[in-house]
Amino acid sequence: GENVEQHPSTLSVQEGDSAVIKCTYSDSASNYFPWYKQELGKGPQLIIDIRSNVGEKKDQRIAVTLNKTAKHFSLHITETQPEDSAVYFCAASMFGDMRFGAGTRLTVKP
Amino acid sequence: DAGVIQSPRHEVTEMGQEVTLRCKPISGHDYLFWYRQTMMRGLELLIYFNNNVPIDDSGMPEDRFSAKMPNASFSTLKIQPSEPRDSAVYFCASSSLSTSGYNEQFFGPGTRLTVL
Repeated sequence: GENVEQHPSTLSVQEGDSAVIKCTYSDSASNYFPWYKQELGKGPQLIIDIRSNVGEKKDQRIAVTLNKTAKHFSLHITETQPEDSAVYFCAASMFGDMRFGAGTRLTVKP
Repeated sequence: DAGVIQSPRHEVTEMGQEVTLRCKPISGHDYLFWYRQTMMRGLELLIYFNNNVPIDDSGMPEDRFSAKMPNASFSTLKIQPSEPRDSAVYFCASSSLSTSGYNEQFFGPGTRLTVL
């Protein structure tokens, strides 16, 4: 089955700096790669996603890249703000089956 | 839309008791997913349904766990009997996979289960 690895497990940045989180997946059949943000006591919230036929997608301060050949994808957050502090999860999905990375705890220091 | 609704938000029970968690998916979504989240194992997919039919239950840890979806707007996850190691946050999510072709899932707020 699909296996998703996520790095780093923790990330601390200064407000205004950029943050990058990287994931790799094992199943070349996966065709959908979402990113979720989870705040304390809440469910994961979809913040951006990328499909297998696209290499890059951007939404304001957030961008995702996908390298299908290498089977890795990344989340880039620019101009980080304290409210970006949360746990971020990557995931890979093929049809109904979705597997999550272990998560990255991002801390943005004011 | 109110989003995915789960109840109860918190459940504390004693070992051996039956626990039932409830979920109402987003209206119009035809896929429903149950997940368990723990510090040790992260987010694990337990089971998912398509049009109320269970498609893959390979993630259900033991026979003590069962899930049903009697109609398009309601699903339950039951643990009987419960054990302390079942303590976790249980999430329900739904998607319109059949329509969009992609598994864009929306999560509920979760049920925090504590088994004493």
